[in-house]
Amino acid sequence: KQEVTQIPAALSVPEGENLVLNCSFTDSAIYNLQWFRQDPGKGLTSLLLIQSSQREQTSGRLNASLDKSSGRSTLYIAASQPGDSATYLCAVRTNTGNQFYFGTGTSLTVIP
Amino acid sequence: EAEVAQSPRYKITEKSQAVAFWCDPISGHATLYWYRQILGQGPELLVQFQDESVVDDSQLPKDRFSAERLKGVDSTLKIQPAELGDSAMYLCASSPLLAGETQYFGPGTRLLVL
Repeated sequence: KQEVTQIPAALSVPEGENLVLNCSFTDSAIYNLQWFRQDPGKGLTSLLLIQSSQREQTSGRLNASLDKSSGRSTLYIAASQPGDSATYLCAVRTNTGNQFYFGTGTSLTVIP
Repeated sequence: EAEVAQSPRYKITEKSQAVAFWCDPISGHATLYWYRQILGQGPELLVQFQDESVVDDSQLPKDRFSAERLKGVDSTLKIQPAELGDSAMYLCASSPLLAGETQYFGPGTRLLVL
């Protein structure tokens, strides 16, 4: 079974700092990987989707990379803002199944 | 912008009672997912539909949980009887295709079983 791990579990940074969130997965036979944002008590909002053939995706201040062979993805957030405070989740879809496997998330706090 | 709708947003019930959650996916989305998210953890898939058919329900506790999507549009997830350990956020998501496009999530239903 695919296992997804996110480190760190929590992160606190001052406003303006660049930061990196990490996601690792045990089975490299993935179809795609998706990063989500979740605000407290709310549903998930998709940030970036990386197909297995891609190495990275960018959207505004966000950049996600994928290294399938090593089972890792990173989410880079540039010039962090207090509004970026949320929990960030990565999810992996494997080639052999239809479901997404989620990590436990990284709780980010950006201090003004 | 189209959204996934869920109701109720919050539900408090006593153990052994029956509860039901409703989800209306984005129009035209063939695939619908129900997830359970325990506080501090990532969502875990309970059941996945392609149109009205169940694609994956391997993680659904079938002795007490049931799900249906009779006309291939909206869906209902039921728990009977509810147990204390069922307290969680129940999330519904939809996507246009089966083969792994972006999932769009609803706001969720927060269930508390007393």
